[in-house]
Amino acid sequence: DAGVIQSPRHEVTEMGQEVTLRCKPISGHNSLFWYRQTMMRGLELLIYFNNNVPIDDSGMPEDRFSAKMPNASFSTLKIQPSEPRDSAVYFCASSLGVLTGHQETQYFGPGTRLLVL
Amino acid sequence: DQQVKQNSPSLSVQEGRISILNCDYTNSMFDYFLWYKKYPAEGPTFLISISSIKDKNEDGRFTVFLNKSAKHLSLHIVPSQPGDSAVYFCAASARGNFNKFYFGSGTKLNVKP
Repeated sequence: DAGVIQSPRHEVTEMGQEVTLRCKPISGHNSLFWYRQTMMRGLELLIYFNNNVPIDDSGMPEDRFSAKMPNASFSTLKIQPSEPRDSAVYFCASSLGVLTGHQETQYFGPGTRLLVL
Repeated sequence: DQQVKQNSPSLSVQEGRISILNCDYTNSMFDYFLWYKKYPAEGPTFLISISSIKDKNEDGRFTVFLNKSAKHLSLHIVPSQPGDSAVYFCAASARGNFNKFYFGSGTKLNVKP
């Protein structure tokens, strides 16, 4: 299995531009998570989906951030407009999900390093 | 307001000695705890976990200890190896919301040869 795939791996953009991060979860996984890693706050959960439905988006910083999961094999995290404080590493993770009835290990992608100038 | 805290941003240990990484949490509803390891330019990978019904879980050189009364857990690595040099994240999830992991800010471990 290829694991969780994220693209792009690096993104440099200017303030005000739209940024779209992409994620392909592990095949057969029902839950997908978007995290952001910063020096100040560590690894924080932004949003997670189960069976393509957003379950908890309480970590999404503000309306400039949006996430979609149109099907079981693809998700996007969009920032519009981007700001310098959005600079961070964004990780996507997937797990088998709630169907098993207990905690499942989350498998992380390699991350997208975003720099907003 | 972080519910999982790792107060030591970094730790340096000599090869062959024990590494002890600490983690504190505030939410008494947490009942499952994990440690993840992260190398540069890679995503975190699962290392070891423990349920609140236990106070210790061991996997090879890695042991996690849970002290529920103190809301504290620790990861022991014995013996430490240079390949263990990485950032270690502690995480927790709560009863009834087990899909949502709360992560600490990480501790960077450096194992010196």
